[in-house]
Amino acid sequence: AQSVTQLGSHVSVSEGALVLLRCNYSSSVPPYLFWYVQYPNQGLQLLLKYTSAATLVKGINGFEAEFKKSETSFHLTKPSAHMSDAAEYFCAVTMKTSYDKVIFGPGTSLSVIP
Amino acid sequence: GAVVSQHPSRVICKSGTSVKIECRSLDFQATTMFWYRQFPKQSLMLMATSNEGSKATYEQGVEKDKFLINHASLTLSTLTVTSAHPEDSSFYICSARYTDTQYFGPGTRLTVL
Repeated sequence: AQSVTQLGSHVSVSEGALVLLRCNYSSSVPPYLFWYVQYPNQGLQLLLKYTSAATLVKGINGFEAEFKKSETSFHLTKPSAHMSDAAEYFCAVTMKTSYDKVIFGPGTSLSVIP
Repeated sequence: GAVVSQHPSRVICKSGTSVKIECRSLDFQATTMFWYRQFPKQSLMLMATSNEGSKATYEQGVEKDKFLINHASLTLSTLTVTSAHPEDSSFYICSARYTDTQYFGPGTRLTVL
């Protein structure tokens, strides 16, 4: 069975500081991994995805994530936080044999302190 | 590309009435769409998978007679909350699958008085 954990339900960073949001997954087959961002009262927006190509994936808004199979991790990073990055972030996993079954993590709320 | 719209964005209704929410894929055809429910400060809960031209597949614990899903075309799926009650108040989000990725609508905030 697949599962996703996100360490830290809430993360606070100062504006300009490094953003690191953690995601670990469990999957019996090679996974596809996603990061989505949700702003208040809005749907989810795809930030980036890993689909078995390059392990370092670059996404929108300066975010990137690295797939590490040995650590079963897919942490999201951004070198310099901006006030507009404050939002809820969800890590998700699916399998290429079953794209319809997407498992979402519990989410991490990011606050950016001016 | 891969834009999904949802209408309405917000609806307030009286207890006992029915509410229809539309989900459209604007620039691609989606044979499979999904309906989620999200409670405050929580992750998404999959309610059902909507397949064009066939019956929806509901997750365990979701009342199919309460939440009617219709996927009549490759770009439109609808969710009807029948005889809504205050406990149905929630944020409903749809998504549509394009290749290997789900793309989400902006969500609908339902408030049942």
